[in-house]
Amino acid sequence: DAGVIQSPRHEVTEMGQEVTLRCKPISGHNSLFWYRQTMMRGLELLIYFNNNVPIDDSGMPEDRFSAKMPNASFSTLKIQPSEPRDSAVYFCATTKSYGGYYNEQFFGPGTRLTVL
Amino acid sequence: QKEVEQNSGPLSVPEGAIASLNCTYSDRGSQSFFWYRQYSGKSPELIMSIYSNGDKEDGRFTAQLNKASQYVSLLIRDSQPSDSATYLCAVNPGYGNKLVFGAGTILRVKS
Repeated sequence: DAGVIQSPRHEVTEMGQEVTLRCKPISGHNSLFWYRQTMMRGLELLIYFNNNVPIDDSGMPEDRFSAKMPNASFSTLKIQPSEPRDSAVYFCATTKSYGGYYNEQFFGPGTRLTVL
Repeated sequence: QKEVEQNSGPLSVPEGAIASLNCTYSDRGSQSFFWYRQYSGKSPELIMSIYSNGDKEDGRFTAQLNKASQYVSLLIRDSQPSDSATYLCAVNPGYGNKLVFGAGTILRVKS
């Protein structure tokens, strides 16, 4: 079975440009999480969706960041305008949620973003 | 106080020894606990989950949970150089299905 798919795997852009990261969840998984990982701050949850609905976006750093999940098979994380401090690895993770707390999350390969 | 705390390491153990990785969490309502392994430049990989007090074994890995002490640990028996990685402890704090991750412990197994 295919795991979580993310694209692009690497992105290099200049400050001020718009960046869009994409994620395709594992088939049948109904919860999707966007994380950011840096050396300084570790792995941080940005936002998560249940059944395509945003549930908790308290980790989104500022209005420059937005995320959507238009259907069960696709999600995007957009940064506009990008800044050098946004440079990080962005992971998407998904799980099949049964409504309890015992949901194992599976991570995609990540997108390494560099903003010059 | 961080919600999930781990010693950053590095923890160095000789090949064949037992590696012991520890994690404490602050939220008493936490319901489920996970260990992820992350190799350099790769994504976190789930290796163990534990939900009840006590031990859970899977091959060379044993997860231990003590909710009263708010403590979860991971033991790796017969450590191999291929176990060298960063180990992340993750906790569901008991609301929703999000996870809170610790900063990770770097494990180095020397051959």
